[in-house]
Amino acid sequence: QKEVEQNSGPLSVPEGAIASLNCTYSDRGSQSFFWYRQYSGKSPELIMSIYSNGDKEDGRFTAQLNKASQYVSLLIRDSQPSDSATYLCAVKRNYGQNFVFGPGTRLSVLP
Amino acid sequence: GAVVSQHPSWVICKSGTSVKIECRSLDFQATTMFWYRQFPKKSLMLMATSNEGSKATYEQGVEKDKFLINHASLTLSTLTVTSAHPEDSSFYICSAFDSRNTEAFFGQGTRLTVV
Repeated sequence: QKEVEQNSGPLSVPEGAIASLNCTYSDRGSQSFFWYRQYSGKSPELIMSIYSNGDKEDGRFTAQLNKASQYVSLLIRDSQPSDSATYLCAVKRNYGQNFVFGPGTRLSVLP
Repeated sequence: GAVVSQHPSWVICKSGTSVKIECRSLDFQATTMFWYRQFPKKSLMLMATSNEGSKATYEQGVEKDKFLINHASLTLSTLTVTSAHPEDSSFYICSAFDSRNTEAFFGQGTRLTVV
């Protein structure tokens, strides 16, 4: 089992819809979770971090964490074509400062 | 957020030559930096963890004699690809962990093309 898993997509949603991106992880002891956005040919940029069970909202983005289910998700409300990118889920290992990245989900927002 | 600067952003080199990539944390001290490689349409793959003042820790399958890492100060880590071959062509990205925010920030990436 891979440490961090995501559906590779592509996930296509119409403009204005809600995009839902999902991620599961295998290390039950993980405490820190992150969502990064990566445009083609560019470096990843941090969107959200979440550490506690429940929801965390930042503008159009909402991260959801369920440690019991080892599941973290990202919701993007009012999706825009500029949101089209690959979204990487990252989990920080409990030892050291290393992050493990999922394979990423490619999101396409159709105008 | 914190700023991590990576240089150069792209480089083309001939087979057999060496290329050095720099990664700097501009507004924070990073005792640990990470080097990743990303092939087209693939996810980030960790190559090594760079520790200030000590040897880097390489992931399984990564040749430490080919990918030399030096972390000489709390703000600078370098990756040198030695005797580069076309199969080393890839997007190399560094990141640094900012303990103040418990978050990792990425450099802009370096696209290496070996001809």
